[in-house]
Amino acid sequence: LAKTTQPISMDSYEGQEVNITCSHNNIATNDYITWYQQFPSQGPRFIIQGYKTKVTNEVASLFIPADRKSSTLSLPRVSLSDTAVYYCLVGNYGGATNKLIFGTGTLLAVQP
Amino acid sequence: NAGVTQTPKFRILKIGQSMTLQCTQDMNHNYMYWYRQDPGMGLKLIYYSVGAGITDKGEVPNGYNVSRSTTEDFPLRLELAAPSQTSVYFCASRSGTSGTRTGELFFGEGSRLTVL
Repeated sequence: LAKTTQPISMDSYEGQEVNITCSHNNIATNDYITWYQQFPSQGPRFIIQGYKTKVTNEVASLFIPADRKSSTLSLPRVSLSDTAVYYCLVGNYGGATNKLIFGTGTLLAVQP
Repeated sequence: NAGVTQTPKFRILKIGQSMTLQCTQDMNHNYMYWYRQDPGMGLKLIYYSVGAGITDKGEVPNGYNVSRSTTEDFPLRLELAAPSQTSVYFCASRSGTSGTRTGELFFGEGSRLTVL
C-alpha cells in the first residue's frame, strides 16, 4: 500500500494560489491519486483525481510528475471558505488493493 | 437522491454496552467502508467490503464487527464499548466502474459516538 506524506498545516491569505504537495514514493503502477477536502463535522468530499501529468476541474488542478512519486494540489485564489483539511489518497481502485487508507492530511488556514 | 445515510447521528453509550451503527447507500455501489475519526486526527479505516458477502479488516478492526448481506447496507457493530471507541464514525461507498472519478468516495454525515 502506498503511504502518503503531507505537510501538517499551511497558512495562506485570501486571493492567493495554494499548492499542497503529497509524497507517495512507493506508488504502484495501477494506483490513482485522489484528493479530498474535509470541513469540521463533515465527511470528506472529493476534489480531484489523476493518474499522470495534469488534471484540471472547476475547483482545482492536480499536477503529477513523470515518476508519480509525488503530486501537488493547486487551489487558485483561495477564499476563507477553503479553510479545511485536505487529504491525498493513493489507491488501485479497480484492482486487488481496495483498502483506501487516508494519511494525516494538511490543515489549510486561509486568513483575510 | 439520499446517497449514503448513517444512523444514529449521535449516541452515548456506557462502558460494556453494545450497539450497531447503520449505513445504507442507494447508489448501487459495490465498495463500502467504515472509518473512525478521533478529535483533531485523520480517518482510520476500520473495515471495508467489496461486495455483498465479502468483508475485510482495515487498520483498526479490533472491537468492531461488520456484515454485508445486501449491496445497500453495511452495518458496524460495536461489542463491549470502551472509552477508546469515542469517535466520529464515517461510512463511505464508491462504485468500482472505470471513469475519471473512479476513486470517488461518497461519505455519510457521520455518527458521533461517546462512551462513558
